[in-house]
Amino acid sequence: QKEVEQNSGPLSVPEGAIASLNCTYSDRGSQSFFWYRQYSGKSPELIMFIYSNGDKEDGRFTAQLNKASQYVSLLIRDSQPSDSATYLCAARGYSGGGADGLTFGKGTHLIIQP
Amino acid sequence: DADVTQTPRNRITKTGKRIMLECSQTKGHDRMYWYRQDPGLGLRLIYYSFDVKDINKGEISDGYSVSRQAQAKFSLSLESAIPNQTALYFCAVGDPGKLFFGSGTQLSVL
Repeated sequence: QKEVEQNSGPLSVPEGAIASLNCTYSDRGSQSFFWYRQYSGKSPELIMFIYSNGDKEDGRFTAQLNKASQYVSLLIRDSQPSDSATYLCAARGYSGGGADGLTFGKGTHLIIQP
Repeated sequence: DADVTQTPRNRITKTGKRIMLECSQTKGHDRMYWYRQDPGLGLRLIYYSFDVKDINKGEISDGYSVSRQAQAKFSLSLESAIPNQTALYFCAVGDPGKLFFGSGTQLSVL
C-alpha cells in the first residue's frame, strides 16, 4: 500500500514568518512530487512540482526533495493571511496506486496569524 | 468560463436514487478523472479515462460507473445512492500530478 503522510495540523504561523510543510512517502519508486493548495470549500490548485533532489523555488514558495529520506517539503516565505489553506502533497510512482501511480496525502491545514 | 465545469454544484438526494454528475472541459486534455474527498480521508480516485475508449477503475470504484461521451465530457453515475456516498466530488483533467480540478459537487445522500 503506497502512502503519502502529512501532519494534519493545524499548523499556526505568524504573518511574515516562514511556513514549513512536510510530507513523507512510502514508495521508493516515486519519481515526481506535487503540492496543491486548497482553500476552504474550493478545489485543489497545483502550486509546485519537483522531480529532482534539492530545492526548487517559485516566488515565495520553495519545494524541497530528499529521495534518500523519502521526504518532501514546501516552504512559504513571508507568509500572508491569504496563504491560510490546506496543502496537499502528492507523489507519483510507476508501480500502482491511483491513475498512473498518483497518491495524495490527506493534507496539512495551515493558518497564518495576522 | 471555467476550464473544467461540473454540474450540479450541490445535490441532495435519497437513498436508492440514481444520480449523475457531469463534467466538461475546454482545456483539450485527453485525461479526465473523478475523485471524491471526505474529511480526514483526503482525495480518493474513483475512475479515470485516458481517452474516449479507455476507462479505468480507481481505488474506490464500487457503487459508481462512468461514461466518457466525448473528449471533453466525462460523467459519473451512482446507480443506487447510499448515505456513505455523501462527499465532495471533483472532476479533474490533465497529466498525472499536474491536474486542473473543477469546482466540485457537494452530494448529500439522505
